[in-house]
Amino acid sequence: NAGVTQTPKFQVLKTGQSMTLQCAQDMNHNSMYWYRQDPGMGLRLIYYSASEGTTDKGEVPNGYNVSRLNKREFSLRLESAAPSQTSVYFCASSPDRTISGANVLTFGAGSRLTVL
Amino acid sequence: RKEVEQDPGPFNVPEGATVAFNCTYSNSASQSFFWYRQDCRKEPKLLMSVYSSGNEDGRFTAQLNRASQYISLLIRDSKLSDSATYLCVVNPGAGSYQLTFGKGTKLSVIP
Repeated sequence: NAGVTQTPKFQVLKTGQSMTLQCAQDMNHNSMYWYRQDPGMGLRLIYYSASEGTTDKGEVPNGYNVSRLNKREFSLRLESAAPSQTSVYFCASSPDRTISGANVLTFGAGSRLTVL
Repeated sequence: RKEVEQDPGPFNVPEGATVAFNCTYSNSASQSFFWYRQDCRKEPKLLMSVYSSGNEDGRFTAQLNRASQYISLLIRDSKLSDSATYLCVVNPGAGSYQLTFGKGTKLSVIP
């Protein structure tokens, strides 16, 4: 089972460049999420999509846009990359938006982004 | 007070030892609790959900104390393969999607 697949795994950008991180899940989950993880900090939610056709801001949405292309795919776009966006980005999915004991998050392998 | 706080670590323990991690949370309305494990340069993976009555999975035992607002993870008979960072994760409310992640506690099991 592939689970949650992210691409690319690594990317180096120059300040001001744009790029899109791709995420796809094959578990028929309704909800999908983008997190970032920085040293010394817990994972922080950037955007989430409760279901196909909906997206909402999380804790740290500034500088990012998202697209829920269909039920399987949820992309994250950096329009004008900044050094502060250097981070590890994780896509995740869950059966639905109510995260509880039996309804948990599954993460992708992560995308390491460096902005020079 | 930070929303989710974990033992600072790192914990360096010999194989076979028992080790315990604590995690405190500030939101008394929090509904769901989890321990995730994250290996170096890998994604977090669910270790176990934490239930009110406490739960056990092999060498791992999780406890929840709502009155004191903390959860714990006990690992018995530590293995080298247990070396990882353990993340405490809290769902702050019913129906909430915005999980709160602790910064993690790093465990190194030494031969």
